[in-house]
Amino acid sequence: GAVVSQHPSRVICKSGTSVKIECRSLDFQATTMFWYRQFPKQSLMLMATSNEGSKATYEQGVEKDKFLINHASLTLSTLTVTSAHPEDSSFYICSASESAYGYTFGSGTRLTVV
Amino acid sequence: GEDVEQSLFLSVREGDSSVINCTYTDSSSTYLYWYKQEPGAGLQLLTYIFSNMDMKQDQRLTVLLNKKDKHLSLRIADTQTGDSAIYFCAEWVNNDMRFGAGTRLTVKP
Repeated sequence: GAVVSQHPSRVICKSGTSVKIECRSLDFQATTMFWYRQFPKQSLMLMATSNEGSKATYEQGVEKDKFLINHASLTLSTLTVTSAHPEDSSFYICSASESAYGYTFGSGTRLTVV
Repeated sequence: GEDVEQSLFLSVREGDSSVINCTYTDSSSTYLYWYKQEPGAGLQLLTYIFSNMDMKQDQRLTVLLNKKDKHLSLRIADTQTGDSAIYFCAEWVNNDMRFGAGTRLTVKP
């Protein structure tokens, strides 16, 4: 079945630095990928829809300049958290679709900003 | 590894009840969720249940949790064509979310 690889699984960074999270579809091409964020003890929040070759579509309230999304190829989307602050600490997860097999989620990235 | 499993497809007739099943393997799950994804859209949280509950009902939705068998189900009463979507179950374990692959529900008129 379809596999989505997300890297890194855990990252700790200093406040003010930037962190890049990668989401790769390993054995299929994905024109669309989704990025989610989960706050502690809350449900998943859709941040943005990543579209290959064009700008991402951000959900209301999500700062596009802070959460940079690049979907440069059909198998890779990246989320960069710029100038990270402790309140950005969260669990970030991506998903992609290969039409025949539904949606596949990455394993998630636990970001801790200290 | 720990997996969340659900069947990929379910087809029902309009007006019938739909039951989507999910099994999980980690007994330390604290929350279990059901999400809905419509074509081209992101996930929408439908409902969730705490691991110390057996059942939760919310309008047309009924969630049943069998902790002994690690089985979660979502029942949609009086299924409508607008319910056609992909339904994901997920468990929250140790501050991480784990998702099933999704069940594509097709509602026939």
